[in-house]
Amino acid sequence: EDQVTQSPEALRLQEGESSSLNCSYTVSGLRGLFWYRQDPGKGPEFLFTLYSAGEEKEKERLKATLTKKESFLHITAPKPEDSATYLCAVQAPTTSGTYKYIFGTGTRLKVLA
Amino acid sequence: NAGVTQTPKFRVLKTGQSMTLLCAQDMNHEYMYWYRQDPGMGLRLIHYSVGEGTTAKGEVPDGYNVSRLKKQNFLLGLESAAPSQTSVYFCASSYLDGFYGYTFGSGTRLTVV
Repeated sequence: EDQVTQSPEALRLQEGESSSLNCSYTVSGLRGLFWYRQDPGKGPEFLFTLYSAGEEKEKERLKATLTKKESFLHITAPKPEDSATYLCAVQAPTTSGTYKYIFGTGTRLKVLA
Repeated sequence: NAGVTQTPKFRVLKTGQSMTLLCAQDMNHEYMYWYRQDPGMGLRLIHYSVGEGTTAKGEVPDGYNVSRLKKQNFLLGLESAAPSQTSVYFCASSYLDGFYGYTFGSGTRLTVV
C-alpha cells in the first residue's frame, strides 16, 4: 500500500539548534515529493518539489534532500518564525493512468527563543 | 495577488442542514481540488476537477457534491450535514496536475452539531 510517514510528530528546538525532519515513503513510481509549510489557521504553503534521488533544494534556512526511500528537511540555525507544521506529500501514478497525491500527517515544529 | 480564496472561513451547522463552500482562484489554473484535514490524518482528497465543467471523485467523496461551472470557481456542497463532516476544508488549485505543487486557500473550519 502506498504510504507516507513523517517523523517526528513534534519537535521542539532552541533558536539556533539545527535539526532534520524525515519523510519516508512507499510508492510505486515516485513522480515528485513535495514539502509544504502550514501555519496555524492557514492553508499549506508550497516550499519545494524534488523529482529524483540525489536532488537538493534550498530556501533560506531550509534544505530538502531526496533518496529513493525518504526525504529530509534540514533546518539550519532555526528562528522562532520557523515554527509551523511541515507537511510532506508524494505524487505517484494510479492504475487508471492518472496521478495521486498522498500527504503525510506532518511534523509540528516549535522553535524557542 | 489573491491566489485561492475560500468563503466562508468558519461555519457551524446543525445535523441535516445543507451548505455550500466557495473556492475562487485567479491564477487561470485548470485543476482544482477539495481536501479535508482532520487531526492525526493527512489531507484527504474529496473531489477534484481537471477543467471547467468537469468533476471527479477523490478518496472520501461520500456526502459531498461539487460543481465547476466557471474555470475560476469550484463549489463544495454538503446536502445533509453530519457530525462526521466536522473538519477543516481546504481548496487548492494547480498548474497541470499538481506536478509543480498546489496553491492552497486558507481553509474553512466547519463544525456540525
